[in-house]
Amino acid sequence: GAGVSQSPSNKVTEKGKDVELRCDPISGHTALYWYRQSLGQGLEFLIYFQGNSAPDKSGLPSDRFSAERTGGSVSTLTIQRTQQEDSAVYLCASSLGAAEETQYFGPGTRLLVL
Amino acid sequence: DAKTTQPTSMDCAEGRAANLPCNHSTISGNEYVYWYRQIHSQGPQYIIHGLKNNETNEMASLIITEDRKSSTLILPHATLRDTAVYYCIVRVVSGTYKYIFGTGTRLKVLA
Repeated sequence: GAGVSQSPSNKVTEKGKDVELRCDPISGHTALYWYRQSLGQGLEFLIYFQGNSAPDKSGLPSDRFSAERTGGSVSTLTIQRTQQEDSAVYLCASSLGAAEETQYFGPGTRLLVL
Repeated sequence: DAKTTQPTSMDCAEGRAANLPCNHSTISGNEYVYWYRQIHSQGPQYIIHGLKNNETNEMASLIITEDRKSSTLILPHATLRDTAVYYCIVRVVSGTYKYIFGTGTRLKVLA
């Protein structure tokens, strides 16, 4: 079956512009996660959704970052007034439920802020 | 939050077993150990996970010490395609289910 998909695969933007990143989870998966991976670094947790609600936003780096999920499926991660330090690969993962379920990752969106 | 410690890099000869260690000395009793790998420019790929008992699947084996403070991922017959960064992760359960990723072990399989 189809895995997690993300779009765009690459995004180049200018400092100060807003960007939207999209994640389509595996069909039927109720939990969705966003992570960030900076060059040469490990993955950094950003936010977790269960259905449409986000019980854990603790990883969002600043108030310029926000995320939403509608219909319990697609999620968008929005970065406002992008900064050069926002350049990273943004990874989305989904799992069937939250408890004891394996997270499956998408290919990521590579964001470059000039 | 429980953290993991892994060697930065390892080499392994093709066809030999690759043994990747991980320390997680502060792990709690209800926390799982997961292993993922990330091949260049791809998203992380799930390999295996366990709680207390050793586990085996078509990709690898996971050996967890009795005190659960460390584990070893074993790739029984490494191939060039196994060259990747391997992440050992402890799944934190505190009302959420986020994974805490470290910097992983960069495994290079040599021909």
